[in-house]
Amino acid sequence: DIQMTQSPSLLSASVGDRVTINCKASQNINKYLNWYQQKLGEAPKLLIYNTNNLQTGIPSRFSGSGSGTDYTLTISSLQPEDFGTYFCFQHNSWPLTFGSGTKLEIK
Amino acid sequence: EVQLQQSGPELRRPGSSVKLSCKASGYSITDYLMHWVKHRPEHGLEWIGWIDPEDGETKYAQKFQSKATLTADTSSNTAYMQLSSLTSEDTATYFCASGPNWFAYWGQGTLVTVSS
Repeated sequence: DIQMTQSPSLLSASVGDRVTINCKASQNINKYLNWYQQKLGEAPKLLIYNTNNLQTGIPSRFSGSGSGTDYTLTISSLQPEDFGTYFCFQHNSWPLTFGSGTKLEIK
Repeated sequence: EVQLQQSGPELRRPGSSVKLSCKASGYSITDYLMHWVKHRPEHGLEWIGWIDPEDGETKYAQKFQSKATLTADTSSNTAYMQLSSLTSEDTATYFCASGPNWFAYWGQGTLVTVSS
């Protein structure tokens, strides 16, 4: 199984900050990497698909990059509503696997 | 508007089984594979498997092979997941997920609690 290691596990940042979350796969996942945001008690929300494609309706302050085994989610200017837990997810090979999550807190 | 409406919370005894439902509206479930995901806060998200509602083909993660059974009823636009031989390890919130771009659509989740 492909292991997805996210860092940091906890992130505290201020409104307006540039925030980056990293995800490292245990093997090449060919850019088949998505990012989701989940708030407490809610379903995950798709933000980015296939590394750098913004899902419809998601603000442009969210962006993704990466290749091979290393991927990054960037929030260019953090907003109060961006708190929550962020997960990466690989759909390159079975079984599909998620990262362990990054909890983003707003200072 | 696309919605995946999941069934309500369940409380089960160890050793029993439970069947969860996920009813789609705003699109046909035959348009996309329907996936199921397990969520425990201390363990994160785990992919369970998918069903192709068009023909009933399924694929499971190995660890859920004998735990979960996925089915679908195209006449009611609903997908189902049965979990068997429940243990405390099955206490979790279960999501159905589907749509383009790998999980653009999610249900609201069903909490399953296994307790004696």
